[in-house]
Amino acid sequence: GAVVSQHPSRVICKSGTSVKIECRSLDFQATTMFWYRQFPKQSLMLMATSNEGSKATYEQGVEKDKFLINHASLTLSTLTVTSAHPEDSSFYICSARDRVSTNTEAFFGQGTRLTVV
Amino acid sequence: AQSVTQPDIHITVSEGASLELRCNYSYGATPYLFWYVQSPGQGLQLLLKYFSGDTLVQGIKGFEAEFKRSQSSFNLRKPSVHWSDAAEYFCAVGAMGTSYDKVIFGPGTSLSVIP
Repeated sequence: GAVVSQHPSRVICKSGTSVKIECRSLDFQATTMFWYRQFPKQSLMLMATSNEGSKATYEQGVEKDKFLINHASLTLSTLTVTSAHPEDSSFYICSARDRVSTNTEAFFGQGTRLTVV
Repeated sequence: AQSVTQPDIHITVSEGASLELRCNYSYGATPYLFWYVQSPGQGLQLLLKYFSGDTLVQGIKGFEAEFKRSQSSFNLRKPSVHWSDAAEYFCAVGAMGTSYDKVIFGPGTSLSVIP
């Protein structure tokens, strides 16, 4: 199946710094990518929809200025957590859909575990 | 907007016993439905999906699910559970092909398996 690669898989950063997470579709082009956040023992919550070449669409309650999303190419979307705080520590997962195939599911990356100390 | 409920937060079954995990969805049109499994600290693995056609869907690892439109349900079943099936299970609903093209996850059901 299609592969979505997320990097890094784990990151520890100091409070107040920014962290960038990359999501790449390795063998297909994705006009749309999705970013989710998962707190321990909870479900995946959709944060935003990343659209290639345009602004991301954020879900209600998600701070646009804190979680910057850039989808500059058909194979790469980035999520930057700005001025990170311990409460931002979470598991972040991206997914991407093949723009050519209309009847396929989104493929998920393996996730990035962010720890803010 | 679509939404998903999974009534059972946690289920414990004995190894070899049958399993059914419940999932109910809310969506105004025909949904795209998924079941994912997640082991602790790991990413998601797709077990099966329903887009159209036969309402009984076969997946990996011996799982199956049945789409029942009248009940807005997509329950996951397995006839004989193995200890390695212990994990978190998420039902999800999508609305692909529309301007509302995203997947929403249910709260999850944690499965424990007694040897």
